[in-house]
Amino acid sequence: GIQVEQSPPDLILQEGANSTLRCNFSDSVNNLQWFHQNPWGQLINLFYIPSGTKQNGRLSATTVATERYSLLYISSSQTTDSGVYFCAVERAGKSTFGDGTTLTVKP
Amino acid sequence: KAGVTQTPRYLIKTRGQQVTLSCSPISGHRSVSWYQQTPGQGLQFLFEYFSETQRNKGNFPGRFSGRQFSNSRSEMNVSTLELGDSALYLCASSSGDEQFFGPGTRLTVL
Repeated sequence: GIQVEQSPPDLILQEGANSTLRCNFSDSVNNLQWFHQNPWGQLINLFYIPSGTKQNGRLSATTVATERYSLLYISSSQTTDSGVYFCAVERAGKSTFGDGTTLTVKP
Repeated sequence: KAGVTQTPRYLIKTRGQQVTLSCSPISGHRSVSWYQQTPGQGLQFLFEYFSETQRNKGNFPGRFSGRQFSNSRSEMNVSTLELGDSALYLCASSSGDEQFFGPGTRLTVL
């Protein structure tokens, strides 16, 4: 099946710093989503981005489907940004998640 | 519009028992997918239902099953529970390609 690799696995930042999270996938995909999982386990939709660039406030994402990667940018990070960020890709009707990036933002 | 709801939110069972989890999708969404999340295996796809039919299936044993009703609500069942079935079970609904997740059911098997 398709492989999804996220990097870095862990990231520790000071409040106000910027960060880039990466998602590489091993084959062509139909869809790609970014999620933030809160401490209670809820997956929050960040972006649905099979290709191109999107922005939502301090967050933006870019997917280069032809090169099989996606990037999530977080600017001016806040402590509430802490949590696990997942990338999920869909191919042939099945979704595959990466192992996530655990982000800790310190005040 | 109400989000995806899952019941129960927490469940404790013992080995050998069976369990049924429920998921109500967003109104108008006809696709429901189920996922298992464990610390060791991460988030893994269980199966997807669309219009009461299983459309896709992950690599889980037959002890894991599901169904979908005419109102798109879905249930998943795990029979003969094992300790390794302890996990967060997440349900997602979709009207097209974007998935929206419920809060999950945390199952503990003792």
